Amino acid sequence: EPEVTQTPSHQVTQMGQEVILRCVPISNHLYFYWYRQILGQKVEFLVSFYNNEISEKSEIFDDQFSVERPDGSNFTLKIRSTKLEDSAMYFCASSADRDQPQHFGDGTRLSIL
Amino acid sequence: GDSVTQMEGPVTLSEEAFLTINCTYTATGYPSLFWYVQYPGEGLQLLLKATKADDKGSNKGFEATYRKETTSFHLEKGSVQVSDSAVYFCALSDRQAGTALIFGKGTTLSVSS
Repeated sequence: EPEVTQTPSHQVTQMGQEVILRCVPISNHLYFYWYRQILGQKVEFLVSFYNNEISEKSEIFDDQFSVERPDGSNFTLKIRSTKLEDSAMYFCASSADRDQPQHFGDGTRLSIL
Repeated sequence: GDSVTQMEGPVTLSEEAFLTINCTYTATGYPSLFWYVQYPGEGLQLLLKATKADDKGSNKGFEATYRKETTSFHLEKGSVQVSDSAVYFCALSDRQAGTALIFGKGTTLSVSS
């Protein structure tokens, strides 16, 4: 069964550095998402992406964050000038259409030191 | 805004016991409802879904019925197995509000033999 893949599984970064989290969505899916889960808290929506542009974003997704689909397969989340509070598990998801279920990757655990 | 409330965990059961995990929601529109499961070390997997009132979602022996009158979507299984040990997330998607999934906090289920 096709699946969403995320790399790396664990990223350790110094505070203030930039980090890029990578995702390969399911190949025929059109909608892409990023979520995060801070330890012990809810899974929170960050952003959705369709047709090469952001279709929706939450209050969390401020100017520190950006997303990109640099080629036909990858979908990336860039976090500039990381802060301690950015430490979380980041999940990528994709769906075939906006009304279809979202399929999640295994996540990237981001640790900011 | 829209929200999901799940019963607090952890839930600890013996094998073959009956499982109920309560989930209630608040939504301005007519949401679709989901249960996702996260096994240790893995990502979120869609377990079941229901898209309108009175729909019953089912998968792997788990069931949940979309109850509009009580704004609930409780997860049930008649006989749990050790392999069902995981974290269970109730979620909603409100088409009027966009594509984002709104999650509950998650309920940890631990089943012992």
